[in-house]
Amino acid sequence: DQQVKQNSPSLSVQEGRISILNCDYTNSMFDYFLWYKKYPAEGPTFLISISSIKDKNEDGRFTVFLNKSAKHLSLHIVPSQPGDSAVYFCAASATDRDDKIIFGKGTRLHILP
Amino acid sequence: DAGVIQSPRHEVTEMGQEVTLRCKPISGHDYLFWYRQTMMRGLELLIYFNNNVPIDDSGMPEDRFSAKMPNASFSTLKIQPSEPRDSAVYFCASSHRRLPYNEQFFGPGTRLTVL
Repeated sequence: DQQVKQNSPSLSVQEGRISILNCDYTNSMFDYFLWYKKYPAEGPTFLISISSIKDKNEDGRFTVFLNKSAKHLSLHIVPSQPGDSAVYFCAASATDRDDKIIFGKGTRLHILP
Repeated sequence: DAGVIQSPRHEVTEMGQEVTLRCKPISGHDYLFWYRQTMMRGLELLIYFNNNVPIDDSGMPEDRFSAKMPNASFSTLKIQPSEPRDSAVYFCASSHRRLPYNEQFFGPGTRLTVL
């Protein structure tokens, strides 16, 4: 039972263009959402997060959008750079309930030269 | 700070053998998490501790898996006996409640291969 779904296993984007990674969730108790980035042979690293009281959070080239009614969030990277090639994990937490994070399966992003 | 430290980085063992994975969290962090990453299931939470006490072990696959945290600076994940389907990358992560909610810091992982 996947509570956090990343339906695109991989995505290829031209350097300089916008990368959009999508994530859906099923549990309405989730109130905090995170994106992690993972390079090969390394652990995931925190990228950006958003609370359910917001619908947008921006940090430099990275913006996360949250649509609570659709239970959908997306990560936008503009402009995409070669160093953005990595696996991106969407994650969610029900902060009133516990301290767990539930991760999606990840989307591998390839930035093409 | 050195970050979360995991050892060994790679482990190859034969079916039936005992495997022990080790983790040193970031100093001052009061939460420690063990995850397993596989192609099929992605990143799964196995167990997590708060102040050295196990809080939720519902993700531990079966009795062959056990985890301990004898003190704030050390945790182990043990598999006994190991099976080929346990082959995966195992991550340890730590966090502190005063950080932005649930921002966890991951170690580099242990790649386990059970033959």
